[in-house]
Amino acid sequence: DTAVSQTPKYLVTQMGNDKSIKCEQNLGHDTMYWYKQDSKKFLKIMFSYNNKELIINETVPNRFSPKSPDKAHLNLHINSLELGDSAVYFCASSQEGRGIQQPQHFGDGTRLSIL
Amino acid sequence: GESVGLHLPTLSVQEGDNSIINCAYSNSASDYFIWYKQESGKGPQFIIDIRSNMDKRQGQRVTVLLNKTVKHLSLQIAATQPGDSAVYFCAEDLSSNTGKLIFGQGTTLQVKP
Repeated sequence: DTAVSQTPKYLVTQMGNDKSIKCEQNLGHDTMYWYKQDSKKFLKIMFSYNNKELIINETVPNRFSPKSPDKAHLNLHINSLELGDSAVYFCASSQEGRGIQQPQHFGDGTRLSIL
Repeated sequence: GESVGLHLPTLSVQEGDNSIINCAYSNSASDYFIWYKQESGKGPQFIIDIRSNMDKRQGQRVTVLLNKTVKHLSLQIAATQPGDSAVYFCAEDLSSNTGKLIFGQGTTLQVKP
């Protein structure tokens, strides 16, 4: 009954490949996010979706494309992987509404390693 | 620029002592702040939050203090236990409409038995 689940947990692949990471939340939240955590543990937001609509799109290469088939899922597709894409990617979700912020709940991450 | 920082990268405390982790934020318009705990191989776990209309909030063994005058946030952990060993992050919410969180660099808390 994991609240925010990501698959796969580990992803090792060659430079130039295309890969996807999947995220699902069963909390009934209407907003989902993708974060990137680098080797120094710095966490930075990449995207957020609210009810399948893109809300936040930080300065991320257009090789990264989020897709939200429904409000419980937010997948991340990455084209032409580069060495610098190696990181841990976290999915999160929250219930936003009426301008009242709520804490974001995170999955356990996908460790992406580019060879 | 926008940033949330922590004063110490590593904090080492004796089991049973109280811990204080500090955080400085730069955006005076931020109105929501969160503390997260991240254990090795896990995602950030929500600990406690505070809104800008408050200066103190208490949870179970944890207290968050907010000083908007100097843009400072702290997390106090009472009777620190070995299970509290982790990296702690503060985060500020820049916009109530987007949920955009800016995270600090993180402080590693080490609890000595």
